[in-house]
Amino acid sequence: EAQVTQNPRYLITVTGKKLTVTCSQNMNHEYMSWYRQDPGLGLRQIYYSMNVEVTDKGDVPEGYKVSRKEKRNFPLILESPSPNQTSLYFCASSLSRGRLNYGYTFGSGTRLTVV
Amino acid sequence: AQSVTQLDSQVPVFEEAPVELRCNYSSSVSVYLFWYVQYPNQGLQLLLKYLSGSTLVKSINGFEAEFNKSQTSFHLRKPSVHISDTAEYFCAVTPTNDYKLSFGAGTTVTVRA
Repeated sequence: EAQVTQNPRYLITVTGKKLTVTCSQNMNHEYMSWYRQDPGLGLRQIYYSMNVEVTDKGDVPEGYKVSRKEKRNFPLILESPSPNQTSLYFCASSLSRGRLNYGYTFGSGTRLTVV
Repeated sequence: AQSVTQLDSQVPVFEEAPVELRCNYSSSVSVYLFWYVQYPNQGLQLLLKYLSGSTLVKSINGFEAEFNKSQTSFHLRKPSVHISDTAEYFCAVTPTNDYKLSFGAGTTVTVRA
């Protein structure tokens, strides 16, 4: 089954304790992205990657890091989490094909609470 | 840069009644437009998209949206809703020469019997 898999689904952590949220896709998609969803704000892009070893900042990158060492994986790293990073996080991927955008496939989300 | 405005944050509606969710966008370049749906405790699913061609696009479960370039709108409609349509709906836009998807704040649709 074609899908984007995120882990964990739920995570409670303490301020300052480094964490990684994993994201993996099995569709050979070139484009991957991380979003955070907050009430009343919709989804805001954190980082994205056009291909292996190519990453760039989205709209709200502060406090986050990413890496793209393999095409299928795009982990999100919080080096020193703070309470304002409490949010629902989504990983998404898309097939890049010329100039057409076929829409994104989203993971099921990771609900992060930082206390 | 592009932006998306969803004009209604909450839309309560009775079962079998029609519903319209309004979406306006701004962009200095041509765009592709999308509607995504998020059912409770789930991720986002693509509902329908406008890439080119006919300005009226339809989904398999009865939703339709019309792209209006002059009014920069992409409103979503369904003539008769079901309880199962209760969800949050997001309008999104991406430039035709890029892949960044920008979302509106979302509209929560609650269908009551």
